[in-house]
Amino acid sequence: EPEVTQTPSHQVTQMGQEVILRCVPISNHLYFYWYRQILGQKVEFLVSFYNNEISEKSEIFDDQFSVERPDGSNFTLKIRSTKLEDSAMYFCASSWTLGQGRGGEQYFGPGTRLTVT
Amino acid sequence: GNSVTQMEGPVTLSEEAFLTINCTYTATGYPSLFWYVQYPGEGLQLLLKATKADDKGSNKGFEATYRKETTSFHLEKGSVQVSDSAVYFCALTLRKGGTSYGKLTFGQGTILTVHP
Repeated sequence: EPEVTQTPSHQVTQMGQEVILRCVPISNHLYFYWYRQILGQKVEFLVSFYNNEISEKSEIFDDQFSVERPDGSNFTLKIRSTKLEDSAMYFCASSWTLGQGRGGEQYFGPGTRLTVT
Repeated sequence: GNSVTQMEGPVTLSEEAFLTINCTYTATGYPSLFWYVQYPGEGLQLLLKATKADDKGSNKGFEATYRKETTSFHLEKGSVQVSDSAVYFCALTLRKGGTSYGKLTFGQGTILTVHP
């Protein structure tokens, strides 16, 4: 069964450094998302991406964040200058192609745990 | 805005006990509703869904019915197993137009622990 994959599983970085989190969505999906979950808190939406542009973003997704689909398979989240409060689990998700809405369900990767020291 | 509220946890049960995890929502439109499960050390897995009023989603012995009149989507299982120990998240999404949907809005999650 196709699945969303994410790398790395755990990333440790120093405050102020740039990090890139990588995701490979399910191959026939066209909608891509990033969410984060700070330890013990809710899963929060960051950004959605469709047709090579951001379709929606949350207040969390400020100028320090960017997303990119550099090729036909990868979807990346970049944090330019990490802060302590960026420490969280980051989940990538993807959903069906247009015309196969099926209720809007999204399929999640296993997550990348980002630790900023 | 849209929001999801789950019953406070954690929930601790003995094996074969009946499980209910309450979920209520507020939404500006007509949402699709989901339950996701997160097993220890893993990502979020779709457990079940319902896309319209009175729909019942079911999977692996879990059920939830979309109740528009009470804006609820409570998760139930008749007989839990130790392997059901996980964090359960209720979530919603709204149709944006045509067949596209927006972001998922999650509840705070409920930790379930099942003892032998």
